[in-house]
Amino acid sequence: DAGVTQSPTHLIKTRGQQVTLRCSPKSGHDTVSWYQQALGQGPQFIFQYYEEEERQRGNFPDRFSGHQFPNYSSELNVNALLLGDSALYLCASSRDYYSYNEQFFGPGTRLTVL
Amino acid sequence: SQQGEEDPQALSIQEGENATMNCSYKTSINNLQWYRQNSGRGLVHLILIRSNEREKHSGRLRVTLDTSKKSSSLLITASRAADTASYFCATDDPYNQGGKLIFGQGTELSVKP
Repeated sequence: DAGVTQSPTHLIKTRGQQVTLRCSPKSGHDTVSWYQQALGQGPQFIFQYYEEEERQRGNFPDRFSGHQFPNYSSELNVNALLLGDSALYLCASSRDYYSYNEQFFGPGTRLTVL
Repeated sequence: SQQGEEDPQALSIQEGENATMNCSYKTSINNLQWYRQNSGRGLVHLILIRSNEREKHSGRLRVTLDTSKKSSSLLITASRAADTASYFCATDDPYNQGGKLIFGQGTELSVKP
């Protein structure tokens, strides 16, 4: 049983560009969350998707957007990249949005903005 | 803002010793989860403890939860060099469905052979 998978592993972009990160949840999971982790910090919640809708959002600007597909996979899009967007982006999945279950994380995508 | 605060920020021990990490939080919770992270890679889920539980075990891990003090501790017994990692506690927000997690800054554990 594959766990949470993310692609790509690493990404280098320049300021002003746009980026799309992808996530496939663990089998049987229907809820996907995205987190940003800056170096030396704990992960910060970006947003969460369930039934193809954004259900909760953290304190991130509209440059951060996402999507969830019918197969529960998800994308995170970041427009107009800033140097400060350089971070590890983590995807987490969980089962049953309405229950407080374990969240399992993927290996992350390391984004570097030059 | 950060909900969880881990203590200490860094811990260095010898192989075979026990390691204890603490986490404090500010608001009520449904559950608290502990995660391990190796060298900036993905988070590995260790254990979830619900607000009505006081103690939970998993292998060499023991987690306690004191909701009156809004604190939790993670004990790793008989530590190994492979336990070297950053450890995070994460709490949920019981007033929002879906289990958005709020993380602390983490404890960096170094286990020397």
